Amino acid sequence: GNSVTQMEGPVTLSEEAFLTINCTYTATGYPSLFWYVQYPGEGLQLLLKATKADDKGSNKGFEATYRKETTSFHLEKGSVQVSDSAVYFCALSDPRGGKLIFGQGTELSVKP
Amino acid sequence: DTGVSQNPRHKITKRGQNVTFRCDPISEHNRLYWYRQTLGQGPEFLTYFQNEAQLEKSRLLSDRFSAERPKGSFSTLEIQRTEQGDSAMYLCASSLTGTSGVNEQFFGPGTRLTVL
Repeated sequence: GNSVTQMEGPVTLSEEAFLTINCTYTATGYPSLFWYVQYPGEGLQLLLKATKADDKGSNKGFEATYRKETTSFHLEKGSVQVSDSAVYFCALSDPRGGKLIFGQGTELSVKP
Repeated sequence: DTGVSQNPRHKITKRGQNVTFRCDPISEHNRLYWYRQTLGQGPEFLTYFQNEAQLEKSRLLSDRFSAERPKGSFSTLEIQRTEQGDSAMYLCASSLTGTSGVNEQFFGPGTRLTVL
């Protein structure tokens, strides 16, 4: 069945460091891919998305590229801020719509 | 513009009691989803509706769980004879199916259930 695997956390970085959070997936067909973020005490928010191979999703300085050949959708940011501290979830949705399948989440902590 | 709302935000109950949660989706959204999230894990799909029709149920959803969306607007999730293993955050999300085919779901704040 479809599944998503994320790198384990927590990840601790200093402010302005480069961030990569790895995400790989297993799916039949051509799923849409998403990154959601959960800030402390808040609900899940969509961060970015990509719907087909080689698409790049971007938002708030974060980027992720849909790589079909490596079945990956790694999240990157060039310079993290303290306010980026949160839990990040990678997810896929089958192309007909319907349920999202999430990874286990990666906690990011950014220190000043 | 109001987002997805869920009530109550917190529920503490004793084992064996029944509980019901409510979700109000974004008004024009035709799809509504329920997920369950335990500490340190990603959300797990439970069920979803398109308008009032329940289109898919997870095998995780035991017979003690039932969900309805009677008029295609708000939805309720009921858990009968609660067990301690039901303690979790219950998330609701909604989306609008469109020509793009992208299933962008918007999440509510969740209902945290604690079963004593």
